[in-house]
Amino acid sequence: DAGVIQSPRHEVTEMGQEVTLRCKPISGHNSLFWYRQTMMRGLELLIYFNNNVPIDDSGMPEDRFSAKMPNASFSTLKIQPSEPRDSAVYFCASSFKDRHGEVGANVLTFGAGSRLTVL
Amino acid sequence: DQQVKQNSPSLSVQEGRISILNCDYTNSMFDYFLWYKKYPAEGPTFLISISSIKDKNEDGRFTVFLNKSAKHLSLHIVPSQPGDSAVYFCAASVKAAGNKLTFGGGTRVLVKP
Repeated sequence: DAGVIQSPRHEVTEMGQEVTLRCKPISGHNSLFWYRQTMMRGLELLIYFNNNVPIDDSGMPEDRFSAKMPNASFSTLKIQPSEPRDSAVYFCASSFKDRHGEVGANVLTFGAGSRLTVL
Repeated sequence: DQQVKQNSPSLSVQEGRISILNCDYTNSMFDYFLWYKKYPAEGPTFLISISSIKDKNEDGRFTVFLNKSAKHLSLHIVPSQPGDSAVYFCAASVKAAGNKLTFGGGTRVLVKP
């Protein structure tokens, strides 16, 4: 398995531009997470999906952020318009959660991250 | 409010010695705890975990200890190796609430040859 695939690995954009980050989870995983890592706040959960349905988006900072999961193998995180304070590394992670609610030991597998710089 | 805290941002240790990383949490509902390791330009990778019904879990050179009354856990690496140099994140979750992990701020470990 190629693991969790994220693109782009690096993105530099100007304030006000739209940014779209992409994620392909591990095949067979049914939970997908978007995390953001910054120096000030560390790793913070933005949103997660179970079976393509958003379950908890309380970590999404504001309406400029949106996430979708149109199918089990693809998710996007969009920022529109972007601001310099959005500069961070954005991680996507996936895991398997069975119908009884037990997770594969709650183990998330992370992608390599997308480093975003907003000028 | 940080529910999971790693108060030591960095740790330097000699190769062959023990590395001890600490983590404190405030949410008494947490019942599952994990440690992740992160190298530069890579995502965090799972290292070891422990359920709240246990107080110790060991996997090779890595041992995690849980003190529920103190809401404290620690990761011991012995012996430390240069390849262990990385950032280590403590994470916690409430299993009944799903697989949402809350992470600490990380501790950067440097193992000197």
